Amino acid sequence: QKEVEQNSGPLSVPEGAIASLNCTYSDRGSQSFFWYRQYSGKSPELIMSIYSNGDKEDGRFTAQLNKASQYVSLLIRDSQPSDSATYLCAAITGTASKLTFGTGTRLQVTL
Amino acid sequence: DAGVIQSPRHEVTEMGQEVTLRCKPISGHNSLFWYRQTMMRGLELLIYFNNNVPIDDSGMPEDRFSAKMPNASFSTLKIQPSEPRDSAVYFCASRINEETQYFGPGTRLLVL
Repeated sequence: QKEVEQNSGPLSVPEGAIASLNCTYSDRGSQSFFWYRQYSGKSPELIMSIYSNGDKEDGRFTAQLNKASQYVSLLIRDSQPSDSATYLCAAITGTASKLTFGTGTRLQVTL
Repeated sequence: DAGVIQSPRHEVTEMGQEVTLRCKPISGHNSLFWYRQTMMRGLELLIYFNNNVPIDDSGMPEDRFSAKMPNASFSTLKIQPSEPRDSAVYFCASRINEETQYFGPGTRLLVL
């Protein structure tokens, strides 16, 4: 079992809709979670971090964490074509506190 | 701040040659990471330094790969000898403790 798992997609949503990206993790000791966005040919950039159960909102983005279910999600409201990218879920895992990434979900926002 | 700096940005080499990738982390960051990204395997952690000391190198593929961090502002990842399967984008990232990790622009390596 991979430490961080995501559906590879592509996830296609129309402009203006809500995009929902999901992620599960295996290390119950993980406390810190991150969502990165990566445009084609570019490096990953941080969108959101979340450390506590519940929701965290930042503009059009909402991160959700459920530690009991070992589940993290990212909601993007009013999706725009510029949101089309690969979204990487990451968790700090293990005693070495390394950041482990999922394989990413490719999001396509269509006009 | 200039962010994480990597060089070269692109490298094309022939199988069997030595390749050295370089990274300058963000000033003040105490952790540095080397990742490799391919379509097939995604973003893989190769090695992780904390305060210039290697903490976890379990992701280093084999003895052909080595990494050093002689001081807080510089790290190298060396592949010797290189093979076509090493072709990938190599990212360096840095952070302070367990806070946000920032990535460099990456080095695109092509081994012919």
